[in-house]
Amino acid sequence: DVKVTQSSRYLVKRTGEKVFLECVQDMDHENMFWYRQDPGLGLRLIYFSYDVKMKEKGDIPEGYSVSREKKERFSLILESASTNQTSMYLCASSTTGGPNSPLHFGNGTRLTVT
Amino acid sequence: GDSVTQMEGPVTLSEEAFLTINCTYTATGYPSLFWYVQYPGEGLQLLLKATKADDKGSNKGFEATYRKETTSFHLEKGSVQVSDSAVYFCALGHSGNTPLVFGKGTRLSVIA
Repeated sequence: DVKVTQSSRYLVKRTGEKVFLECVQDMDHENMFWYRQDPGLGLRLIYFSYDVKMKEKGDIPEGYSVSREKKERFSLILESASTNQTSMYLCASSTTGGPNSPLHFGNGTRLTVT
Repeated sequence: GDSVTQMEGPVTLSEEAFLTINCTYTATGYPSLFWYVQYPGEGLQLLLKATKADDKGSNKGFEATYRKETTSFHLEKGSVQVSDSAVYFCALGHSGNTPLVFGKGTRLSVIA
Protein backbone atom coordinates (compact mmCIF):
# COMPACT_ATOMS: atom_id res chain seq x y z
CA ASP A 1 0.00 0.00 0.00
CA VAL A 2 1.11 3.51 -0.78
CA LYS A 3 2.00 5.46 2.28
CA VAL A 4 2.07 9.23 2.43
CA THR A 5 3.44 10.41 5.74
CA GLN A 6 3.12 13.93 7.09
CA SER A 7 5.66 14.65 9.78
CA SER A 8 3.33 16.26 12.31
CA ARG A 9 -0.30 15.65 13.16
CA TYR A 10 -0.67 18.91 15.13
CA LEU A 11 1.45 22.04 15.14
CA VAL A 12 1.12 25.27 17.06
CA LYS A 13 3.21 28.20 15.86
CA ARG A 14 3.41 31.90 16.57
CA THR A 15 2.71 34.69 14.11
CA GLY A 16 5.80 35.54 12.11
CA GLU A 17 7.53 32.18 12.56
CA LYS A 18 8.88 30.25 9.59
CA VAL A 19 7.06 26.93 9.43
CA PHE A 20 8.03 23.75 7.62
CA LEU A 21 5.49 21.04 6.84
CA GLU A 22 7.09 17.83 5.62
CA CYS A 23 5.60 15.10 3.45
CA VAL A 24 7.20 11.83 2.39
CA GLN A 25 5.79 9.15 0.08
CA ASP A 26 7.20 5.66 -0.33
CA MET A 27 5.93 4.58 -3.75
CA ASP A 28 8.21 6.45 -6.12
CA HIS A 29 5.38 8.72 -7.27
CA GLU A 30 6.29 11.53 -9.63
CA ASN A 31 3.51 13.91 -8.63
CA MET A 32 3.05 15.54 -5.24
CA PHE A 33 0.53 18.12 -4.04
CA TRP A 34 -0.20 20.36 -1.07
CA TYR A 35 -3.78 21.32 -0.21
CA ARG A 36 -5.38 23.18 2.64
CA GLN A 37 -8.80 22.21 3.93
CA ASP A 38 -11.11 24.69 5.61
CA PRO A 39 -14.78 24.37 6.66
CA GLY A 40 -17.09 25.59 3.93
CA LEU A 41 -14.24 26.00 1.44
CA GLY A 42 -13.32 22.38 0.82
CA LEU A 43 -9.88 21.57 -0.55
CA ARG A 44 -7.78 24.27 -2.13
CA LEU A 45 -4.59 23.53 -4.02
CA ILE A 46 -1.56 25.47 -2.81
CA TYR A 47 1.34 24.05 -4.86
CA PHE A 48 2.16 20.92 -6.80
CA SER A 49 5.18 19.27 -8.33
CA TYR A 50 5.54 16.84 -11.21
CA ASP A 51 9.24 16.16 -10.79
CA VAL A 52 12.20 16.79 -8.56
CA LYS A 53 13.12 20.44 -8.31
CA MET A 54 10.07 21.61 -10.21
CA LYS A 55 7.00 23.28 -8.78
CA GLU A 56 3.79 24.84 -10.02
CA LYS A 57 1.50 27.30 -8.27
CA GLY A 58 -1.96 26.13 -7.41
CA ASP A 59 -4.99 28.25 -6.65
CA ILE A 60 -3.76 29.88 -3.43
CA PRO A 61 0.07 30.06 -3.40
CA GLU A 62 0.36 33.44 -1.66
CA GLY A 63 2.27 33.22 1.60
CA TYR A 64 3.62 29.75 0.83
CA SER A 65 6.61 28.21 -0.92
CA VAL A 66 7.65 24.62 -1.54
CA SER A 67 10.76 22.53 -1.94
CA ARG A 68 11.28 19.24 -3.72
CA GLU A 69 14.94 18.25 -3.55
CA LYS A 70 14.23 14.51 -3.59
CA LYS A 71 11.51 12.60 -5.38
CA GLU A 72 9.96 11.21 -2.21
CA ARG A 73 9.83 14.44 -0.20
CA PHE A 74 7.76 17.58 -0.74
CA SER A 75 7.98 20.36 1.83
CA LEU A 76 5.56 23.23 2.31
CA ILE A 77 7.04 26.39 3.80
CA LEU A 78 5.21 29.26 5.44
CA GLU A 79 7.76 32.05 5.25
CA SER A 80 6.10 34.15 7.95
CA ALA A 81 3.11 32.44 9.50
CA SER A 82 -0.09 34.41 9.93
CA THR A 83 -3.30 33.61 11.76
CA ASN A 84 -5.20 33.21 8.48
CA GLN A 85 -2.96 30.25 7.71
CA THR A 86 -4.49 28.29 10.57
CA SER A 87 -5.87 25.28 8.75
CA MET A 88 -5.65 21.56 8.01
CA TYR A 89 -2.91 20.86 5.47
CA LEU A 90 -3.06 17.74 3.32
CA CYS A 91 -0.29 16.29 1.20
CA ALA A 92 -0.99 13.90 -1.68
CA SER A 93 0.93 11.98 -4.32
CA SER A 94 0.16 10.14 -7.56
CA THR A 95 1.86 8.54 -10.55
CA THR A 96 2.01 10.20 -13.96
CA GLY A 97 -1.01 8.41 -15.42
CA GLY A 98 -3.11 11.56 -15.57
CA PRO A 99 -6.41 11.82 -13.73
CA ASN A 100 -6.94 8.07 -13.74
CA SER A 101 -4.06 7.63 -11.34
CA PRO A 102 -5.63 8.05 -7.91
CA LEU A 103 -4.38 10.58 -5.42
CA HIS A 104 -2.99 9.11 -2.20
CA PHE A 105 -3.33 11.43 0.76
CA GLY A 106 -1.56 11.73 4.08
CA ASN A 107 -3.58 12.09 7.28
CA GLY A 108 -3.06 15.82 7.46
CA THR A 109 -1.33 18.36 9.68
CA ARG A 110 -3.54 20.66 11.71
CA LEU A 111 -1.67 23.93 12.04
CA THR A 112 -2.68 26.60 14.51
CA VAL A 113 -1.02 30.01 14.28
CA THR A 114 -1.46 32.18 17.35
CA GLY B 1 -12.64 27.12 -15.91
CA ASP B 2 -13.68 23.71 -14.68
CA SER B 3 -15.79 23.48 -11.54
CA VAL B 4 -17.63 20.96 -9.37
CA THR B 5 -20.73 21.72 -7.32
CA GLN B 6 -21.91 19.42 -4.55
CA MET B 7 -24.98 19.58 -2.39
CA GLU B 8 -24.46 21.40 0.87
CA GLY B 9 -24.24 19.37 4.02
CA PRO B 10 -24.36 18.17 6.59
CA VAL B 11 -26.56 15.24 5.68
CA THR B 12 -27.89 13.20 8.60
CA LEU B 13 -29.49 9.83 7.98
CA SER B 14 -30.62 6.89 10.03
CA GLU B 15 -28.91 3.55 9.53
CA GLU B 16 -30.23 1.61 6.50
CA ALA B 17 -31.59 4.77 4.84
CA PHE B 18 -31.02 5.50 1.14
CA LEU B 19 -28.29 8.01 0.37
CA THR B 20 -27.95 10.43 -2.53
CA ILE B 21 -25.29 13.13 -2.65
CA ASN B 22 -25.68 15.33 -5.71
CA CYS B 23 -22.71 16.41 -7.82
CA THR B 24 -22.76 18.45 -11.01
CA TYR B 25 -19.82 19.72 -13.00
CA THR B 26 -18.80 22.28 -15.58
CA ALA B 27 -15.91 21.28 -17.81
CA THR B 28 -14.55 21.44 -21.31
CA GLY B 29 -14.07 18.21 -23.17
CA TYR B 30 -14.58 14.81 -21.55
CA PRO B 31 -13.32 14.73 -18.01
CA SER B 32 -12.99 11.73 -15.72
CA LEU B 33 -15.13 11.91 -12.59
CA PHE B 34 -14.35 10.73 -9.07
CA TRP B 35 -15.71 10.39 -5.57
CA TYR B 36 -13.24 10.59 -2.70
CA VAL B 37 -14.11 9.90 0.94
CA GLN B 38 -12.50 11.30 4.10
CA TYR B 39 -13.13 9.35 7.30
CA PRO B 40 -12.66 11.18 10.62
CA GLY B 41 -9.01 11.93 11.35
CA GLU B 42 -7.79 10.68 7.99
CA GLY B 43 -6.84 11.98 4.57
CA LEU B 44 -8.98 11.46 1.49
CA GLN B 45 -9.09 8.15 -0.34
CA LEU B 46 -10.54 7.23 -3.70
CA LEU B 47 -14.00 5.69 -3.40
CA LEU B 48 -14.94 5.23 -7.07
CA LYS B 49 -14.44 6.70 -10.52
CA ALA B 50 -15.86 6.80 -14.05
CA THR B 51 -13.85 7.76 -17.09
CA LYS B 52 -16.48 8.21 -19.81
CA ALA B 53 -20.15 8.96 -20.32
CA ASP B 54 -22.60 6.31 -19.07
CA ASP B 55 -19.88 4.54 -17.06
CA LYS B 56 -20.92 3.45 -13.59
CA GLY B 57 -18.36 3.44 -10.83
CA SER B 58 -19.00 1.29 -7.76
CA ASN B 59 -17.28 0.35 -4.52
CA LYS B 60 -18.32 -0.63 -0.97
CA GLY B 61 -22.01 -0.50 -1.96
CA PHE B 62 -21.71 3.03 -3.35
CA GLU B 63 -22.49 3.79 -6.99
CA ALA B 64 -22.33 6.79 -9.30
CA THR B 65 -23.14 7.06 -13.01
CA TYR B 66 -21.45 9.54 -15.35
CA ARG B 67 -24.32 11.44 -17.00
CA LYS B 68 -23.01 13.69 -19.73
CA GLU B 69 -26.44 14.99 -20.72
CA THR B 70 -27.05 16.36 -17.22
CA THR B 71 -23.35 16.90 -16.37
CA SER B 72 -23.87 14.97 -13.15
CA PHE B 73 -22.21 12.24 -11.10
CA HIS B 74 -24.51 11.68 -8.13
CA LEU B 75 -23.36 9.31 -5.38
CA GLU B 76 -25.87 6.73 -4.13
CA LYS B 77 -26.01 3.93 -1.60
CA GLY B 78 -29.02 1.79 -0.90
CA SER B 79 -28.50 1.24 2.83
CA VAL B 80 -26.04 3.35 4.78
CA GLN B 81 -24.21 2.24 7.92
CA VAL B 82 -22.81 4.20 10.82
CA SER B 83 -19.34 3.43 9.44
CA ASP B 84 -20.19 5.44 6.31
CA SER B 85 -20.09 8.67 8.34
CA ALA B 86 -17.47 10.76 6.56
CA VAL B 87 -16.96 13.70 4.24
CA TYR B 88 -17.50 12.92 0.55
CA PHE B 89 -15.80 14.89 -2.23
CA CYS B 90 -16.72 14.88 -5.91
CA ALA B 91 -13.87 15.67 -8.32
CA LEU B 92 -13.06 15.87 -12.00
CA GLY B 93 -9.86 15.52 -13.97
CA HIS B 94 -8.63 15.73 -17.53
CA SER B 95 -6.05 13.69 -19.38
CA GLY B 96 -2.54 14.90 -18.95
CA ASN B 97 -1.20 16.04 -15.64
CA THR B 98 -3.48 18.89 -14.60
CA PRO B 99 -4.57 18.59 -10.96
CA LEU B 100 -8.02 17.36 -10.03
CA VAL B 101 -10.76 19.91 -9.38
CA PHE B 102 -12.62 19.13 -6.15
CA GLY B 103 -16.05 20.08 -4.90
CA LYS B 104 -16.37 21.53 -1.41
CA GLY B 105 -17.32 18.23 0.20
CA THR B 106 -20.50 16.95 1.84
CA ARG B 107 -20.45 15.72 5.42
CA LEU B 108 -22.58 12.63 6.07
CA SER B 109 -23.56 11.53 9.55
CA VAL B 110 -25.33 8.20 9.97
CA ILE B 111 -27.03 7.56 13.31
CA ALA B 112 -27.97 4.17 14.70
